[in-house]
Amino acid sequence: GQQLNQSPQSMFIQEGEDVSMNCTSSSIFNTWLWYKQEPGEGPVLLIALYKAGELTSNGRLTAQFGITRKDSFLNISASIPSDVGIYFCAGRGSGGSNYKLTFGKGTLLTVNP
Amino acid sequence: EPEVTQTPSHQVTQMGQEVILRCVPISNHLYFYWYRQILGQKVEFLVSFYNNEISEKSEIFDDQFSVERPDGSNFTLKIRSTKLEDSAMYFCASIGGVPNYGYTFGSGTRLTVV
Repeated sequence: GQQLNQSPQSMFIQEGEDVSMNCTSSSIFNTWLWYKQEPGEGPVLLIALYKAGELTSNGRLTAQFGITRKDSFLNISASIPSDVGIYFCAGRGSGGSNYKLTFGKGTLLTVNP
Repeated sequence: EPEVTQTPSHQVTQMGQEVILRCVPISNHLYFYWYRQILGQKVEFLVSFYNNEISEKSEIFDDQFSVERPDGSNFTLKIRSTKLEDSAMYFCASIGGVPNYGYTFGSGTRLTVV
């Protein structure tokens, strides 16, 4: 099946630092999504990317859909303690794949105040 | 904002017992899903459901699993005879029709099989 390689696995940073994480795939996806998950909760959508090359921001978060449609990155600027959580990338195929999501293994972000 | 609601939030069951996990998707959504997340691991696709039938299932979704949309609002996942390795968080999700691409996930049911 399709696999997403997400890196890094974990990050421990100081408050105020910028963060970058990325996902790569051997397969093409039509949509890239970035989610954040906090303990005991379901994934919450942060940013959705629909077109190759698209760069989208949501507050301090910026994500890009790679030109090859096989990769995406997420940047968080000026991190704050509430950014702590696990960040997952997810790729979605076409309607023919029933829009199912393939998730990366997640990046655990810890922010030291 | 509309939510996907899952019950119970936590279920403990004995190995071999049947469990039913319940979900109420967003009312005007058309595609329904179950995903599973074993503790500390990634979220994995189990099954998709559209137009009152399974449209795709993963290799995890074996004969012990079934899904049902018994009425216009509920979407259930049944595990017939639970195994220890079924212990995980189970997430329900739904999306509307195209072009609504943003999945909405429920908060999950933590299933513990003892």
